[in-house]
Amino acid sequence: GAVVSQHPSRVICKSGTSVKIECRSLDFQATTMFWYRQFPKQSLMLMATSNEGSKATYEQGVEKDKFLINHASLTLSTLTVTSAHPEDSSFYICSASGESSGGSYEQYFGPGTRLTVT
Amino acid sequence: AQSVTQPDIHITVSEGASLELRCNYSYGATPYLFWYVQSPGQGLQLLLKYFSGDTLVQGIKGFEAEFKRSQSSFNLRKPSVHWSDAAEYFCAVYNQGGKLIFGQGTELSVKP
Repeated sequence: GAVVSQHPSRVICKSGTSVKIECRSLDFQATTMFWYRQFPKQSLMLMATSNEGSKATYEQGVEKDKFLINHASLTLSTLTVTSAHPEDSSFYICSASGESSGGSYEQYFGPGTRLTVT
Repeated sequence: AQSVTQPDIHITVSEGASLELRCNYSYGATPYLFWYVQSPGQGLQLLLKYFSGDTLVQGIKGFEAEFKRSQSSFNLRKPSVHWSDAAEYFCAVYNQGGKLIFGQGTELSVKP
């Protein structure tokens, strides 16, 4: 149980375009979802926290107008990178937590999305 | 502020040898502690967690970790390492704001 999927696993886009990444909890209701960014050989950096049906809370330094997060249902959250630039190239990972996944203290992670902006 | 320190950036062990990955945390209350493993290009997989109770916790893939409050540590151990254990390992603590605070990670290499 507690499986989280992400789509796509890899995406290449041109500078100036927007890219949407989906994060789904497959077998539990995710009341909270988290979006992380990971640079090579580094740890995960939390970008934002989203609760179903409410606006996401962004970490300091993360541009909310550039990284649009929507958590419209208990099983789906999306991250849209708007007007992407090469410096947005990174590995984006989502995680989800909810009552069915062991409570709010446990996060289950998706497999990640590799974004390359050319 | 809560923090997690993994002192070793990279560790190499021989296959079949024992392993210990260090993790120290800074947290005022009883911590909720986690170890995750990440293979290249993959997400994070939960190895084990400590919330309360027995300070020695067993996880998946033969891993265990011991919570030592007096040392503010939560070291990960495995008695015999397999080549497939080569990966990045992250220790994390759950903070009062509802967020996971990750250590810098330890890259494990296994030599035959």
